[in-house]
Amino acid sequence: EAAVTQSPRNKVAVTGGKVTLSCNQTNNHNNMYWYRQDTGHGLRLIHYSYGAGSTEKGDIPDGYKASRPSQENFSLILELATPSQTSVYFCASGRQGLFANTEVFFGKGTRLTVV
Amino acid sequence: GDSVTQTEGPVTVSESESLIINCTYSATSIAYPNLFWYVRYPGEGLQLLLKVITAGQKGSSRGFEATYNKETTSFHLQKASVQESDSAVYYCALGDRGNTNKVVFGTGTRLQVLP
Repeated sequence: EAAVTQSPRNKVAVTGGKVTLSCNQTNNHNNMYWYRQDTGHGLRLIHYSYGAGSTEKGDIPDGYKASRPSQENFSLILELATPSQTSVYFCASGRQGLFANTEVFFGKGTRLTVV
Repeated sequence: GDSVTQTEGPVTVSESESLIINCTYSATSIAYPNLFWYVRYPGEGLQLLLKVITAGQKGSSRGFEATYNKETTSFHLQKASVQESDSAVYYCALGDRGNTNKVVFGTGTRLQVLP
């Protein structure tokens, strides 16, 4: 069974602070993704990666950075957190290939509140 | 642009009743859409429920089914008799079979099945 683990599961951060959301997958998948979900919106892609050392911008990358130091780990970094980044964040991983063509496995989500 | 519109929740039905969650899509930049239903059970990450890549075909899983209708640009999710364990959030999604990782999610429909 594919396993994608996110940490922390809940986080309260102050405006202007730095936040790092971590994601680990144990399935040796090449591709990893970070999404956010807000009320009234579907999941929106922030950053994704094709493998260690690779990061690509998704649809809403502004205010976020990503880091893929290894096959297993993919972090989302908010250098200067703002209240508009309050959301639920989902990490996902998938085998090499396109999201649209291969099954993708999601983590349980991280609820971030920026006050 | 590309978009997915689905039934606004919450949807409440009683056990053993039938269910339909509507999904329509607009694929203005995606030449060959793939269509998905993902489900998120309480406390879990999203998981793929079913996927159809060819217009006119039907996908089915766990008693749910959905038909990819290119003429009406729809991919409605149906189940003849729901169970309490089906209570979850259901997401319709549109993917690109082409050269991107582009997947557009709907806003999600929360389903509550009453015993």
